[in-house]
Order: sequence, then C-alpha cells, then structure tokens
Amino acid sequence: DAGVIQSPRHEVTEMGQEVTLRCKPISGHNSLFWYRQTMMRGLELLIYFNNNVPIDDSGMPEDRFSAKMPNASFSTLKIQPSEPRDSAVYFCASKSSGTGVNYQPQHFGDGTRLSIL
Amino acid sequence: GDSVTQMEGPVTLSEEAFLTINCTYTATGYPSLFWYVQYPGEGLQLLLKATKADDKGSNKGFEATYRKETTSFHLEKGSVQVSDSAVYFCALTPSSNTGKLIFGQGTTLQVKP
Repeated sequence: DAGVIQSPRHEVTEMGQEVTLRCKPISGHNSLFWYRQTMMRGLELLIYFNNNVPIDDSGMPEDRFSAKMPNASFSTLKIQPSEPRDSAVYFCASKSSGTGVNYQPQHFGDGTRLSIL
Repeated sequence: GDSVTQMEGPVTLSEEAFLTINCTYTATGYPSLFWYVQYPGEGLQLLLKATKADDKGSNKGFEATYRKETTSFHLEKGSVQVSDSAVYFCALTPSSNTGKLIFGQGTTLQVKP
C-alpha cells in the first residue's frame, strides 16, 4: 500500500515568496494532520482535518499560514508570504477515524524540508 | 492539559547494550500510548502502541508496558544495534476522542559499534 505522499521533498525559496506544500493521505483515512518540526520547538501540530473539515487550527502560527483539504485525497499547506523563520521540516500524517479512533496510529509522510532564504 | 515527558538525550550506547528510554504522561481518563521512531531524513514511524492499562506493546525487539499507577510507558530493548540509532518519540492520544497525538520532545539514541 502506498503511504502518505508529500511533495516536494525539498523546497528552497526566497523570503516573500509563496510556498505550497502538498499531501496525499492514505486511501480510506479520513483524518489528516499537518506538523512542523524544528530543532528549537520540536514537533508542533499546526492543523488537522476530519472528513475534509478543519477541526483545530490553533497551532497555525499566524495568518500567513493556511491549509485546505478540497477532497479526501489531497491537502495543501500554504505560506504567503514566507519568512526565514518558517524554515523547518513539514510533515503530513493521516489516520483512520473509525471505531476506536484513539487506538489508530497516525501514518506520517517523509516530510518537506523547507528553507527560506 | 495532557502532556508527555521523555528523558533528555542524547543517549549513547554500545552495540548489544540494554536500552531504556523513560516516558511519563499526564492525562485524564485512559489515553492510548505510542512510541514512534524517526530515522534520519525520514518521517515518524509507529514502533509500538498500548491502549489500556497493563497492555504491553512490542515490535522489533522493543517493548513498553502501559503503567497506569505510575503514568509511565518506558521503552526497552534488551540488545541494541547500530541500526537502532534514531530519534524516539513517546506520544499519547487523549481519551477525549479527538484523534490528536501529543508528543514528547523526543530522545536521540546513538548506538556505537
């Protein structure tokens, strides 16, 4: 089975530019999570969706960040305008939210390493 | 609020040594507990899980037991290998049924030949 697929794997861009990160969750999973990982702050949950609906976006750092999930097989995380402090590894994860939602593990993609110059 | 605390790293061991990484949690009710592992340049992978008190999760020689009385979920392995070098994250899903994961800060393990 294909796992969670993220693209691009690496992104280098100049500050002020718009950045779009993409995620394809595992088929049949109906919860999707976006995380950011840095040395200083560790793993931070940015936002998560259930059945394509944003449930909790309290981790989104500021209005420059936005996330969408137009359908069950695709999500984007957008940063506009980007700043050097946004440099991090961004992970997408998905899970099944059926019976026993708390037992089901999240499955992570390999991440997008973002560098803002 | 709910939280997870792991022992600070890095942990450096010689091959075939015994490993313990401590993890304690604060949560109401009965959370589910997980250990994830992150190899360099990769995403997190589920290593093992336990969903109720006294459950033991195990995988690839790693074990952890859900101890409600001490609110702990310590990770152990009897004989580590160089290939076990990675970052290990303890995590919980609250019993409030949100599906969210709350992670510890991660513990880096380095195994030397």
